[in-house]
Amino acid sequence: DAGVTQSPTHLIKTRGQQVTLRCSPISGHKSVSWYQQVLGQGPQFIFQYYEKEERGRGNFPDRFSARQFPNYSSELNVNALLLGDSALYLCASSPVQNSGANVLTFGAGSRLTVL
Amino acid sequence: QQQVKQSPQSLIVQKGGISIINCAYENTAFDYFPWYQQFPGKGPALLIAIRPDVSEKKEGRFTISFNKSAKQFSLHIMDSQPGDSATYFCAASGAPGSGNTGKLIFGQGTTLQVKP
Repeated sequence: DAGVTQSPTHLIKTRGQQVTLRCSPISGHKSVSWYQQVLGQGPQFIFQYYEKEERGRGNFPDRFSARQFPNYSSELNVNALLLGDSALYLCASSPVQNSGANVLTFGAGSRLTVL
Repeated sequence: QQQVKQSPQSLIVQKGGISIINCAYENTAFDYFPWYQQFPGKGPALLIAIRPDVSEKKEGRFTISFNKSAKQFSLHIMDSQPGDSATYFCAASGAPGSGNTGKLIFGQGTTLQVKP
């Protein structure tokens, strides 16, 4: 079975540009979460989507947005890129909205470099 | 209150030794404490997890010890192997209605190197 797949794996953008990252969850998983992992730090929660609705949002500016599609795949959009947005963006899926006991399965991430 | 503090930042252990990584939290609403293992170029993978109603959980060479009163938990890797060399993250999430449901709060990570 395919795990969580993310695309693109690597990308380079310049300041001020916009980026869209994509995620396909494990088949049957209805919840998708996005995390930002800056080099040398732990992942930080950005969004959770369940059944196509936003169910949680972390402490990130409005330049960050996301959506979930009817097939449960998801996109993360970041506008007006800053140098500080350079990070590994991780997508994780779980079968249901996390009750605290569900296992999050992470993808390998999309490495974004902002120049 | 939202932080999970992890130590040490890095750890070097000889093959066959015991690796110990510690975490502390403040928010008493947390009720799920997983440990994740991350290899370079990969996403974090769940290693082992514990709920606060038990003080210890063991899976193979990996053991979580949990001290609810001290708000601390630790990962012990017995008989450490070179293949265990990776970055380890502790994390916490909350019970339904706590405001922390649906997200994991991660520690800063510990880079473990197991020498042959």
